[in-house]
Amino acid sequence: NAGVTQTPKFRVLKTGQSMTLLCAQDMNHEYMYWYRQDPGMGLRLIHYSVGEGTTAKGEVPDGYNVSRLKKQNFLLGLESAAPSQTSVYFCASSPWTAGLAETQYFGPGTRLLVL
Amino acid sequence: SQKIEQNSEALNIQEGKTATLTCNYTNYSPAYLQWYRQDPGRGPVFLLLIRENEKEKRKERLKVTFDTTLKQSLFHITASQPADSATYLCAGYSSASKIIFGSGTRLSIRP
Repeated sequence: NAGVTQTPKFRVLKTGQSMTLLCAQDMNHEYMYWYRQDPGMGLRLIHYSVGEGTTAKGEVPDGYNVSRLKKQNFLLGLESAAPSQTSVYFCASSPWTAGLAETQYFGPGTRLLVL
Repeated sequence: SQKIEQNSEALNIQEGKTATLTCNYTNYSPAYLQWYRQDPGRGPVFLLLIRENEKEKRKERLKVTFDTTLKQSLFHITASQPADSATYLCAGYSSASKIIFGSGTRLSIRP
């Protein structure tokens, strides 16, 4: 099993450009998440999904959109990139057990630099 | 605001000693706490989960405690090794939309 994979690994954007980050998991997990990690700060939840076709906002959703058309994929879009979105983005998935999403399995991350 | 706080200062200890990391939470009632290990340039890796009705959990050289009165979790690594050097993250979970991570504590084990 590949676990959680993220594409691309690194990207440089100019302010105003758009891009989509792809996350894929092969563990048949119900829950998927997108986080950003900035120096000195913890992982912050951007958006999450509790199942195919559903998405919801996390702590820092502004400037991002997501889609989960297939259970195994969770896409994060930046419509008009800003320098404040320079960060490392992590995708994670987790199984749903007894009404709770538990252990999260993280991807390797995508480093995004917005100039 | 709801917070998970970890000691931001790096922890340096001698090989073979027990490392103890602290995680405190405020204005928050997590159903469970998780501990992750993160190596430079990589994603976090799950280590242990402890529920609010559990006081202690162990896994090999790792032990985690959960004190709902103190609003604190302690993470212990016994017989520490240089390979244990990494950043350790604490995360609280109360619902899918309320997963809060601490900023992590960097642990260095010197030979």
